[in-house]
Amino acid sequence: KAGVTQTPRYLIKTRGQQVTLSCSPISGHRSVSWYQQTPGQGLQFLFEYFSETQRNKGNFPGRFSGRQFSNSRSEMNVSTLELGDSALYLCASSRWTGNTEAFFGQGTRLTVV
Amino acid sequence: DAKTTQPPSMDCAEGRAANLPCNHSTISGNEYVYWYRQIHSQGPQYIIHGLKNNETNEMASLIITEDRKSSTLILPHATLRDTAVYYCIVRVGNEDMRFGAGTRLTVKP
Repeated sequence: KAGVTQTPRYLIKTRGQQVTLSCSPISGHRSVSWYQQTPGQGLQFLFEYFSETQRNKGNFPGRFSGRQFSNSRSEMNVSTLELGDSALYLCASSRWTGNTEAFFGQGTRLTVV
Repeated sequence: DAKTTQPPSMDCAEGRAANLPCNHSTISGNEYVYWYRQIHSQGPQYIIHGLKNNETNEMASLIITEDRKSSTLILPHATLRDTAVYYCIVRVGNEDMRFGAGTRLTVKP
C-alpha cells in the first residue's frame, strides 16, 4: 500500500512569492494534517482537514492556508513568503480524525531566499 | 505548548532494552498517550499509543503508570536503526498533536 506522498520534495522560492505544496494521503484515509518543522521551533501544527473541512488550526498567520479535495488530497499554500518560512513541511494522514495513528510523508523542504 | 516532559537525550547499547520515560502529570482522563519517532531527515513514524492499559506491538511496549502521570516506551532489543528522536504526545481524539522537543536516543554498538 502506497504511503503518504508529498510533492515537491525540495523547493526554493524568493521572498514575497507564494508557494503551493501537495499531499496525497494513504488510500482510504480521510484526515490530513500539516506541520512545519524548523530547528528553532520544532514540529508545529498548522491545520487539519477531514472530509474537505478544516477541523483544527494552529497558531500561524493567515498567509498559511490549505484545502482538501473530495479525493482527500490536500494542498497548503503560503503567500508572501518570508525568510522565516524556510522549513520542512510535513503532511500526515489518518483514516479518520480522533484517536488513531497518523502516517507522515517525507516532507517538502522549502527554502526562501 | 507540549503537555509532556522528556529527557533531551539518552544512550543505549545495541541489543539492550531502551527505556524512554515521559512525564505527563497534567494528563486528563480522556487523553491518550502517543509515541512517535523521527529518524533524521524523515517524517515522524507512529510507534504506539494507549489510554491506561499497557500496550505492546511489534515495535515496542508502552507502560503507563496507574495514576497515568508518566509512561515509559520500551524498545526491547535496540538496534542502530532505532537511533532517532522519540516524541511522547498526549491528546484527546479531536485535538491536534503537539510535539515537544522529544528525546534523542543514540544506540551505540
